Amino acid sequence: GENVEQHPSTLSVQEGDSAVIKCTYSDSASNYFPWYKQELGKRPQLIIDIRSNVGEKKDQRIAVTLNKTAKHFSLHITETQPEDSAVYFCAAGTSGSARQLTFGSGTQLTVLP
Amino acid sequence: DAGVIQSPRHEVTEMGQEVTLRCKPISGHDYLFWYRQTMMRGLELLIYFNNNVPIDDSGMPEDRFSAKMPNASFSTLKIQPSEPRDSAVYFCASSLSGGARVKTQYFGPGTRLLVL
Repeated sequence: GENVEQHPSTLSVQEGDSAVIKCTYSDSASNYFPWYKQELGKRPQLIIDIRSNVGEKKDQRIAVTLNKTAKHFSLHITETQPEDSAVYFCAAGTSGSARQLTFGSGTQLTVLP
Repeated sequence: DAGVIQSPRHEVTEMGQEVTLRCKPISGHDYLFWYRQTMMRGLELLIYFNNNVPIDDSGMPEDRFSAKMPNASFSTLKIQPSEPRDSAVYFCASSLSGGARVKTQYFGPGTRLLVL
């Protein structure tokens, strides 16, 4: 089955700096890569996703890049703000009968004021 | 849209008791997922349904866990008997299939379970 590894497990940045979280996946058939943000005590919420026919996607201060050859994808947050502090999860999914996501282990991002 | 609804939001019970968690998916969604989240093991998929039929229950930890989906708008996850190590946050999520494309999963608020 699919295996998703996520690094780093914790990340601290100064407000205004950029943050990068990286994930690798094992199943070359995976073609959907969402990122979820989970604030303390709340549910995971989708913040951005990318499909395998696209190499990069941006939404304001958030961007995701995908390298299918190397089987890795990354989340980039620019101009970080304290409200960006949360746990971020990457995931990989595959079309077909098993329409489930395999999640990474999460990255605790702390933005220091 | 109300989103995914879960109840109860918090549950405290004693070891050996039966626990039933409930989920109402987003209307029209045909996939429903049950996850368990702990500090040690992260987010684990327990079971998922498609059109009310269980597709993959390989993540269910043991026979004490069971899940049902009697109709498109309701699912339950039951633990009987409960044990302290079952303490976790249980999330329900739903998604809508779209041909061969994987669709986004939307999570409910979770049930925080504490087994004493």
